[in-house]
Parts: sequence; C-alpha cells; structure tokens
Amino acid sequence: EVQLVESGGGLVQPGGSLRLSCAASGFTFSNYWMSWVRQAPGKGLEWVGKIKPDGTEKYYVDSVRGRFTISRDNARNSLYLQINSLRAEDTAVYYCARCDVSAAGTYWGQGTLVTVSS
Amino acid sequence: QSALTQPASVSGSPGQSIAISCTGTSSDVGGYKYVSWYQQHPGKAPKLMVFDVSDRPSGISNRFSGSKSGNTASLTISGLQAEDEADYYCSSYTSSDTYVFGTGTKVTVL
Repeated sequence: EVQLVESGGGLVQPGGSLRLSCAASGFTFSNYWMSWVRQAPGKGLEWVGKIKPDGTEKYYVDSVRGRFTISRDNARNSLYLQINSLRAEDTAVYYCARCDVSAAGTYWGQGTLVTVSS
Repeated sequence: QSALTQPASVSGSPGQSIAISCTGTSSDVGGYKYVSWYQQHPGKAPKLMVFDVSDRPSGISNRFSGSKSGNTASLTISGLQAEDEADYYCSSYTSSDTYVFGTGTKVTVL
C-alpha cells in the first residue's frame, strides 16, 4: 500500500524558514517524480513544484521560485521542501504527492499545516 | 500560470447527473491529454478520480467520467449519491512542464 506521511509543519514568524519532510513507503520511491501541493485555509489547491526521480530536475510555480527548494533522499525514501523567507500568504496545508505526466498527484499524503504569523 | 476556471458550485438531486467544466488554454488543457480530476472531502487529502482526460484509477466508480473538447474539460458524475458531496478540482499538465489546478467546484447533493 502506498503511504506518504508529511511532517515538519508548525507556527513560524514572517521571514523565517521551515523544512517539510515526506516519508514514502509501499512503492519504489526512486522510480517516481514527486510533487508538493499546498492549500491555503478555505482556498483551492495550488501546485508548488516537482522533482525528478534522480533529483536532477526540479520545476516550481512562479510564485515560489527562489524561496522554495525541493529535494529528495532516495536512500531514505524521503522528499523535502525547504521554505525560506516565509510570508503570511504561505500559510497552508502542504501535501506531498506521487506524480507522473498523467496527473499532478496519483497518491497523496495527509498534509502538514504551516502557519506564518507573528 | 493562471488557475483553470471551474464553476464555484454545482448541485443535483440523488440519482441525477451533473457536469463540472474546467476551462484552460491551448498551453494546458487544450494542448495535452493530461487532464486529471480530484475529489476532496472536508479536512481530507485530495483523491484522484480521473486521469488522462477520461481514465479512472482502479477502484473508482464508473459513475465518474471525464471528457475534453478544445480548451475545456468536463467531469460528469452520474447517479449522484450523498457521498459525492465534496469539492472537485481539475488539473492539467502545461507547456512549461508544470501542473496547474482549477479553481475548484463545490458539489452539493440536494
């Protein structure tokens, strides 16, 4: 059974940084593209970015490029999202998802909440 | 990259059929067969319902069907049931090798 479990969310002050993690199991992690998707409270889904199976290619939505960095450790079956210079508008539930060209998210984690507030 | 356009809400009675539209551009919906649809119940993670415009993952009811014409994709739910009440989002692969989601549609079962 495919399982994705996010962690690392919490309350952070504007301008701060946070590193989110996603632990994957139930599939060969190193074979798949992985995505991050976020959802602000009461709002819709926003695709954040994706990373190639070997980590050599990364793509981001324009609104986060330069502040967000996606990485992975295939030996640990883990996906990461480093978020810097946090803003109030980054407050959201962050989901990790297994993806392929057919769909931004074929399997999803339960999400982790990031709240940016002073 | 602008969000794909969906109606804010759609409603129907049990047993009826409803359709949700998803309008993009030739750089996303119109240019590729990689349109997907997601169901999200309150407080839960999204769930893939349709991929590649009209294919269903294993275990998804055939009451859910997808189609596309030009820059607009559609999700049809037939034989509407109470458990279908949820938010639905479309998504498309884009010419920038990224993805974009729709604005979301709240489905209400009357």
